Amino acid sequence: DTAVSQTPKYLVTQMGNDKSIKCEQNLGHDTMYWYKQDSKKFLKIMFSYNNKELIINETVPNRFSPKSPDKAHLNLHINSLELGDSAVYFCASSQGRAYTFGSGTRLTVV
Amino acid sequence: GDSVTQMEGPVTLSEEAFLTINCTYTATGYPSLFWYVQYPGEGLQLLLKATKADDKGSNKGFEATYRKETTSFHLEKGSVQVSDSAVYFCALSDRRNTGGFKTIFGAGTRLFVKA
Repeated sequence: DTAVSQTPKYLVTQMGNDKSIKCEQNLGHDTMYWYKQDSKKFLKIMFSYNNKELIINETVPNRFSPKSPDKAHLNLHINSLELGDSAVYFCASSQGRAYTFGSGTRLTVV
Repeated sequence: GDSVTQMEGPVTLSEEAFLTINCTYTATGYPSLFWYVQYPGEGLQLLLKATKADDKGSNKGFEATYRKETTSFHLEKGSVQVSDSAVYFCALSDRRNTGGFKTIFGAGTRLFVKA
């Protein structure tokens, strides 16, 4: 059983499109996160939810909108995609200090 | 504010060589310290952790000791293998003033091991 699963694994889309990435965790963790990893492997926190409540909302364009329908799911919707949005997006969850990461979604905007 | 600094890569070693990846931190509280590993095409995985000063975390032949006096948590392995080629992230987790925890990741260090 995959602990933190993201779909899709790969996403290629044109500029201006709207797309969503889904994340689910079956660990019973209270907190979930979205991270963006650039081509140099630098990790940037985007959002965090605790029990469906938004607790971290970093400086991210408002084209990015997270949604947590329940504490096991955290989705990321991106409007009007731009070339600079190309990256790997990771979902993660935690209960306490240690994180469990999903395998990532590689987004390529062309 | 809290921060994590780790040595720049890439680090290139021959198989069976000794590995050290340096990590230093600044923190206002009493953080826990972590090393995560990211293999190609995968997400980060927790490699080891230490929760207080002088603790040693270890896993899969890797070790790191929480040194409060030098604010360091250097990752070591006595004999690396080709399969250890990956990106290694040092991280700290500290309590938030508003409750819960905040985690700071280092920039990552890429390791290449040659056969």
